[in-house]
Amino acid sequence: SQTIHQWPATLVQPVGSPLSLECTVEGTSNPNLYWYRQAAGRGLQLLFYSVGIGQISSEVPQNLSASRPQDRQFILSSKKLLLSDSGFYLCAWSGGWVAGQETQYFGPGTRLLVL
Amino acid sequence: AQSVTQLGSHVSVSEGALVLLRCNYSSSVPPYLFWYVQYPNQGLQLLLKYTTGATLVKGINGFEAEFKKSETSFHLTKPSAHMSDAAEYFCAVNNNDMRFGAGTRLTVKP
Repeated sequence: SQTIHQWPATLVQPVGSPLSLECTVEGTSNPNLYWYRQAAGRGLQLLFYSVGIGQISSEVPQNLSASRPQDRQFILSSKKLLLSDSGFYLCAWSGGWVAGQETQYFGPGTRLLVL
Repeated sequence: AQSVTQLGSHVSVSEGALVLLRCNYSSSVPPYLFWYVQYPNQGLQLLLKYTTGATLVKGINGFEAEFKKSETSFHLTKPSAHMSDAAEYFCAVNNNDMRFGAGTRLTVKP
């Protein structure tokens, strides 16, 4: 069966510091991968998605970036965090765009607090 | 472009009462529809989904949803609420692009 991991679970960082959040998927190959953010009391905002190694699509321009160095690894980064980057970051995977593969499955999330 | 509207950001019911969470969508073609549940400080868990076939879909934890094309709705119901149902619920539509509603927070009163 497939599993998705995120770490760290919780992170407190000062403004201006760098960020690296990691997401890995097990039990599947060539998944689509997604990064979402949930600000407090708000819905999900799609940040990035990837359909393959090195292929990243950005949905929202901001000071965050994403990379996919391996098939089942997805990394969210920032060079300098802003207060507004605080939130709950969720990674998800799906089987692809083919019918029957569209369901997205989510990881446990990373709570980021920027002070 | 497709979109999802969840009516009511907060819904409160008594334990044992009917749960009804509303979701309306817009899509130019028949969509795939989903309901997810999120417990505090956790990721989203798939409750149920509609792709094709039977319009009444049964999911986990006693939830079900009915796809009504004429009303462009996909409301989530559960006959009898339990305290453990308290969570945030998200409706989503996928037509080559997953879009989530803003979420509905369900509170269950004893």
